Amino acid sequence: NAGVTQTPKFQVLKTGQSMTLQCAQDMNHEYMSWYRQDPGMGLRLIHYSVGAGITDQGEVPNGYNVSRSTTEDFPLRLLSAAPSQTSVYFCASSYRYRSTNTGELFFGEGSRLTVL
Amino acid sequence: DAKTTQPNSMESNEEEPVHLPCNHSTISGTDYIHWYRQLPSQGPEYVIHGLTSNVNNRMASLAIAEDRKSSTLILHRATLRDAAVYYCILRYEGGSEKLVFGKGTKLTVNP
Repeated sequence: NAGVTQTPKFQVLKTGQSMTLQCAQDMNHEYMSWYRQDPGMGLRLIHYSVGAGITDQGEVPNGYNVSRSTTEDFPLRLLSAAPSQTSVYFCASSYRYRSTNTGELFFGEGSRLTVL
Repeated sequence: DAKTTQPNSMESNEEEPVHLPCNHSTISGTDYIHWYRQLPSQGPEYVIHGLTSNVNNRMASLAIAEDRKSSTLILHRATLRDAAVYYCILRYEGGSEKLVFGKGTKLTVNP
């Protein structure tokens, strides 16, 4: 099982460039989300989705776009990169939470982004 | 969204029990308490969850206060591999799924 796959693992951008962080899962999970983690900080929710065609904003959505055209994929787009977006980005997925399942979130290995 | 509060850091000695607290005073009746941990340079991983009763699994135990306004993750015998950041979050069935992790508690285990 591949689980949650994030690409690329490392990326360096110049200010103003755009890029897409890819996230794919093969567990047929309805829920997918993106977090960013700055040094010494916890996880901050950027965007999330509870199914194909449905997305919503998290705590820090500005500067990022998402779409969910399939169950498997949840790409995160940086429209015009800024140094403040230098961070490690984690994608996570799970089944929609019900009392009959653990609601376990599966995380990818992370994508380290540096914006110069 | 109901929030959780955790101490920034805690220290323990190897092979001793560790009690990691979490306050969630605004918890609602349908919120489940979930714990995750993040080892260095890795993504978080699920540890345990519960609603009202205490829960045990191979990784840890979860003790939930009677009024559910706080909970404690218990590592019965800490090992060096348990050094991580531990997060307490709330999740409710069929909810909006806006899962806010916060900063968590950084656990240091001394040999």
